[in-house]
Amino acid sequence: AQRVTQPEKLLSVFKGAPVELKCNYSYSGSPELFWYVQYSRQRLQLLLRHISRESIKGFTADLNKGETSFHLKKPFAQEEDSAMYYCALESGGSYIPTFGRGTSLIVHP
Amino acid sequence: DAGVIQSPRHEVTEMGQEVTLRCKPISGHDYLFWYRQTMMRGLELLIYFNNNVPIDDSGMPEDRFSAKMPNASFSTLKIQPSEPRDSAVYFCASSSQGAREETQYFGPGTRLLVL
Repeated sequence: AQRVTQPEKLLSVFKGAPVELKCNYSYSGSPELFWYVQYSRQRLQLLLRHISRESIKGFTADLNKGETSFHLKKPFAQEEDSAMYYCALESGGSYIPTFGRGTSLIVHP
Repeated sequence: DAGVIQSPRHEVTEMGQEVTLRCKPISGHDYLFWYRQTMMRGLELLIYFNNNVPIDDSGMPEDRFSAKMPNASFSTLKIQPSEPRDSAVYFCASSSQGAREETQYFGPGTRLLVL
């Protein structure tokens, strides 16, 4: 069975500080990993996916198969980054994601 | 496209009443998902449909919950009878099994409060 673990329910940082939201997964095959974000009063939306190897809004995430992790990082947090972040995993070809419980990021001015 | 549409956006009801949540997926999408979001449990998948057929309802908490998709453009999630512990935000999402770049598109959610 596949599982996604986000160990932190809440992460609080100051503006300009680096931020790392942790995501660990368990899956025996080749996973596809995603980060979704939900800003206040907005709908949940895709932030980035590992296959794209892209940086969105300054965020990056690298799939580490050895550590089975897909941590989300940003070198300098901004207040507008405050949101709920969900890590998600799709097993190969399933199109059905398994979500973590989410991490609430608060960036203080 | 207006994206995934959900109604109502907010629902307050009393324990024991029937609640019906509605969803219109993005046109052309062949997958539809219902999720429940709470502080304690995060985002939980309740059920999903493929081409209007329920595929996996193992996430539905109990028999009080039921979901239907009578056609490609409409789905309902019904709770009967409702209980205070059902209070949560319910999201509908749709996706397409087309190009691999496709991902899930979420609706704005229905915030349900059962008193």
